[in-house]
Amino acid sequence: GAGVSQSPSNKVTEKGKDVELRCDPISGHTALYWYRQSLGQGLEFLIYFQGNSAPDKSGLPSDRFSAERTGGSVSTLTIQRTQQEDSAVYLCASSRGQGTYSPLHFGNGTRLTVT
Amino acid sequence: GQQVMQIPQYQHVQEGEDFTTYCNSSTTLSNIQWYKQRPGGHPVFLIQLVKSGEVKKQKRLTFQFGEAKKNSSLHITATQTTDVGTYFCAGGDNAGNMLTFGGGTRLMVKP
Repeated sequence: GAGVSQSPSNKVTEKGKDVELRCDPISGHTALYWYRQSLGQGLEFLIYFQGNSAPDKSGLPSDRFSAERTGGSVSTLTIQRTQQEDSAVYLCASSRGQGTYSPLHFGNGTRLTVT
Repeated sequence: GQQVMQIPQYQHVQEGEDFTTYCNSSTTLSNIQWYKQRPGGHPVFLIQLVKSGEVKKQKRLTFQFGEAKKNSSLHITATQTTDVGTYFCAGGDNAGNMLTFGGGTRLMVKP
């Protein structure tokens, strides 16, 4: 079946512009995570959605970052007034159930370059 | 909050040598999961351990979960160039809230 889909796969933007990154999770998956990964680095947690619960936003690095998840499915990560340090690969992952027992399925990521 | 530490950060081995990465949590975990990320790819789920002291094997890979459910290890026997990548552990907290990833161990194998 279809996996986690992220778009665009690559995005080049000028410093100061806003960007929107999209994630389509696997159908029926209630949990959705956003991570950021700089070149050669680990996974930096950004935000976590679980069903209809309030999202865990504790990983968002600044108020320029926000995310929403509409109808418990598609999620959009928005970065306002982009800075060069925002350049990274943004990964989305979803999992089936509540709690932490279900494995995460990752998308291919969006590579963001801020010039 | 929960912290998951992973060591070493990097490891170079000669093909055929063994490799081990270790994962330690500041709190007791409900389960631990391991992922592999090939260069240029995204993390892919390998295995999950749930029980205290559990050991699972996948061909040359052996995964262990500590008795206290606070640490875990991944051991690769006789590494091959196809093992190259970054290995991440991810721990689930007992509140069932979310998975926390370790920083990953990047494995490089010299042929």
